Amino acid sequence: QKEVEQNSGPLSVPEGAIASLNCTYSDRVSQSFFWYRQYSGKSPELIMSIYSNGDKEDGRFTAQLNKASQYVSLLIRDSQPSDSATYLCAVNMGGGSNYKLTFGKGTLLTVNP
Amino acid sequence: GAGVSQSPRYKVAKRGQDVALRCDPISGHVSLFWYQQALGQGPEFLTYFQNEAQLDKSGLPSDRFFAERPEGSVSTLKIQRTQQEDSAVYLCASSLGSGTGGFGQYFGPGTRLTVT
Repeated sequence: QKEVEQNSGPLSVPEGAIASLNCTYSDRVSQSFFWYRQYSGKSPELIMSIYSNGDKEDGRFTAQLNKASQYVSLLIRDSQPSDSATYLCAVNMGGGSNYKLTFGKGTLLTVNP
Repeated sequence: GAGVSQSPRYKVAKRGQDVALRCDPISGHVSLFWYQQALGQGPEFLTYFQNEAQLDKSGLPSDRFFAERPEGSVSTLKIQRTQQEDSAVYLCASSLGSGTGGFGQYFGPGTRLTVT
């Protein structure tokens, strides 16, 4: 069974702090990794993608990937109350032409003003 | 530009009824996916189309579920003889790429199905 694991939270951080969200995956040959943000009652919104080991920065967001440890994380700097949402880690498992995404259950982030 | 659209946004069906859920992907997106999301869970894969070809339907829960994309654009997910366990949000996503992955999937607003 190919799995993606996330801490369900809730993760609570004060406004302006760094929020760190973590994800592990079971399939060693996975190639593509994504973070989605989902507000309550809304659909998932793609915020980051990462394909190579290391860090990828986009504004206040940094995705980190370590394929050897099968670990991917998302850092949110200068957290804002509007960042309060569920963050879903998604992995394109199986490598190659396997295109479907396997999602974790999500981590609920609350940013307190 | 326009994103993925889905209709209806909400559907209430009596147990045993058939339902049809529509997805209109982003123009030019080759790949189309259907996912099912239960409350408090991440989306779970149902089926995948590349243009009009259904390449993977391994996630469809039973033979009551059927999906089509006859002209390679709009897709319909049909559920026959609905059961209470079918109650969920059905999400459609589209992606520019095909085959080797590496392209993000963009989700529509979803259809919330409630079976009574």
